[in-house]
Amino acid sequence: ETGVTQSPTHLIKTRGQQVTLRCSSQSGHNTVSWYQQALGQGPQFIFQYYREEENGRGNFPPRFSGLQFPNYSSELNVNALELDDSALYLCASSTGQAYNSPLHFGNGTRLTVT
Amino acid sequence: GIQVEQSPPDLILQEGANSTLRCNFSDSVNNLQWFHQNPWGQLINLFYIPSGTKQNGRLSATTVATERYSLLYISSSQTTDSGVYFCAVEGFSGGYNKLIFGAGTRLAVHP
Repeated sequence: ETGVTQSPTHLIKTRGQQVTLRCSSQSGHNTVSWYQQALGQGPQFIFQYYREEENGRGNFPPRFSGLQFPNYSSELNVNALELDDSALYLCASSTGQAYNSPLHFGNGTRLTVT
Repeated sequence: GIQVEQSPPDLILQEGANSTLRCNFSDSVNNLQWFHQNPWGQLINLFYIPSGTKQNGRLSATTVATERYSLLYISSSQTTDSGVYFCAVEGFSGGYNKLIFGAGTRLAVHP
């Protein structure tokens, strides 16, 4: 059974740039959710995708967007990067809704915005 | 929205000691999960426990939904138990149900 994989592991970007983070779901999981974890804090829910459509969103601006593909892999896109976007970005997959199904996380992508 | 509070914020143990971590939440919840984040940042799902008691090896968890708290027990702690333990509950805000994490309990187990 393949677990959740994320790429890249680390990334450095400049303020104002755009970034794309990628996630491959665990085999058999059809729901993917993304989280932002700032240093010393708990993860914050960004959004969730099911059957290639966004069906849940946290308190993040529209410059945070995503995609889910037919093979259930997913992308997180962030436009117009700000310094406060520096964080660990975590992807999780599940067989049901992220809020009522056991979540399985990837190792995360650490984004630094300078 | 729902508030999730974890205690203690920090905990230092000697290897072999037992500990109890607590998660309080401000409203009734249908779902609750415990996670362990290792020093390399990976989050591991420990328990999906909306109510009742579950055990997995040296770890066990109890959720008393009617009293709005959950407890995570670690027995005979090992250095590999070090990291941050998060409690997360289902909450509703902004028109969506979502998983809301507490700030975590940072555990350091020394040999």
